[in-house]
Amino acid sequence: SAVISQKPSRDICQRGTSLTIQCQVDSQVTMMFWYRQQPGQSLTLIATANQGSEATYESGFVIDKFPISRPNLTFSTLTVSNMSPEDSSIYLCSVARTSGIYEQYFGPGTRLTVT
Amino acid sequence: GQSLEQPSEVTAVEGAIVQINCTYQTSGFYGLSWYQQHDGGAPTFLSYNALDGLEETGRFSSFLSRSDSYGYLLLQELQMKDSASYFCAVRASSASKIIFGSGTRLSIRP
Repeated sequence: SAVISQKPSRDICQRGTSLTIQCQVDSQVTMMFWYRQQPGQSLTLIATANQGSEATYESGFVIDKFPISRPNLTFSTLTVSNMSPEDSSIYLCSVARTSGIYEQYFGPGTRLTVT
Repeated sequence: GQSLEQPSEVTAVEGAIVQINCTYQTSGFYGLSWYQQHDGGAPTFLSYNALDGLEETGRFSSFLSRSDSYGYLLLQELQMKDSASYFCAVRASSASKIIFGSGTRLSIRP
């Protein structure tokens, strides 16, 4: 398993501003992912954070809106830019072992409210 | 594309057995995972099936039929703490990612 922490745990932001969410893992991992989850809904993959290269974004998510950094094998950030109320959600990072992408470990999540 | 279907809600009685079904459609298939998520918590990995058959882990078992594109999670000796949402997830063979189903909310009555 892996121990994952996220900062902040929650925030209330004004529209038009940006928020950077940090994800720290207690061990080196190859694959890190960022998800979004509305309360009571499923998890939607935003992007895969690749160490040493640009993130791979899913359909409907773009780098200008959700820039991601992955400076090393234990840390990643997700920025939600130019926020609108529609960005209000829970943002989760997860990690997977190289051989076990089907087995992911999730951080506690960041609950974002945009007013 | 990929799609997964699972019931939105299931209710069961404490001490009983409940089965949560998941059917999937993918272009290529590696395996089916199951995750548990309590309200306000993060998803936690429960099980993974790559081959047909039943995998047992304590009170929880997971089954896969690749020919039927179908799997289920079986929870035995239900406890109140099992009240949570359960998600199935698939990995398509061409993708380095998994796609989650819509989730099944399990409510347990005393």
